[in-house]
Amino acid sequence: EIVMTQSPVTLSVSPGERVTVSCRASQGISNNLAWYQQKPGQAPRLLIYGASTRATGIPVRFSGSGSGTEFTLTISRLQSEDFAVYYCQQYNNWPLPLTFGGGTKVEIK
Amino acid sequence: QVQLVESGGGVVQPGRSLRLSCAASRFTFSNYGMHWVRQAPGKGLEWVAVIWYDGSNKYYADSVKGRFTISRDNSKNTLFLQMDTLRAEDTAVYYCARQEGSRSYFDYWGQGALVTVSS
Repeated sequence: EIVMTQSPVTLSVSPGERVTVSCRASQGISNNLAWYQQKPGQAPRLLIYGASTRATGIPVRFSGSGSGTEFTLTISRLQSEDFAVYYCQQYNNWPLPLTFGGGTKVEIK
Repeated sequence: QVQLVESGGGVVQPGRSLRLSCAASRFTFSNYGMHWVRQAPGKGLEWVAVIWYDGSNKYYADSVKGRFTISRDNSKNTLFLQMDTLRAEDTAVYYCARQEGSRSYFDYWGQGALVTVSS
């Protein structure tokens, strides 16, 4: 099983700041990585797939980068609606299981 | 807009069974692989199971293998999760999620169904 490790666990930031969330895979996964945003009481929402491709309707302030074992989600200028928990997920492993990182909570400073 | 609506959640005693359903609409259900993902209270996301678009292949997380069964009825645009021999640690919100094409990430999710296993 591929273990996904996110850091930090919690990030306290002010609106307008730049945010960087890291995700590390226990073995190489090429660019087979997705990022999701989850707000309280809601289902996760796909932000990024293929490590760097924004999903439909996702604002350009969200960007992803990385390949192999190290990945980053960046929010260029945090807006109030971006306070949420962010998860990475690898889909390189075959024949499974798919695995998620433990999540990074972005909270208001 | 793609819609996925789960139902069938509730409170069940340990060792008993429960079946979740996920009604899909506004897309061609029979063209897509479908998954179940769960989230224990206050915890992260855990993948549970996948079924191929035509039902030909199914895979499970080790934590549920032998107890849970994923299935689908393409004529009724519905995904199922039969959960047997439930344990307290199965308590979670269960989401159905659509797989985007041939790559196993999830482009649409249902709103979730809460399953509570407690005596």
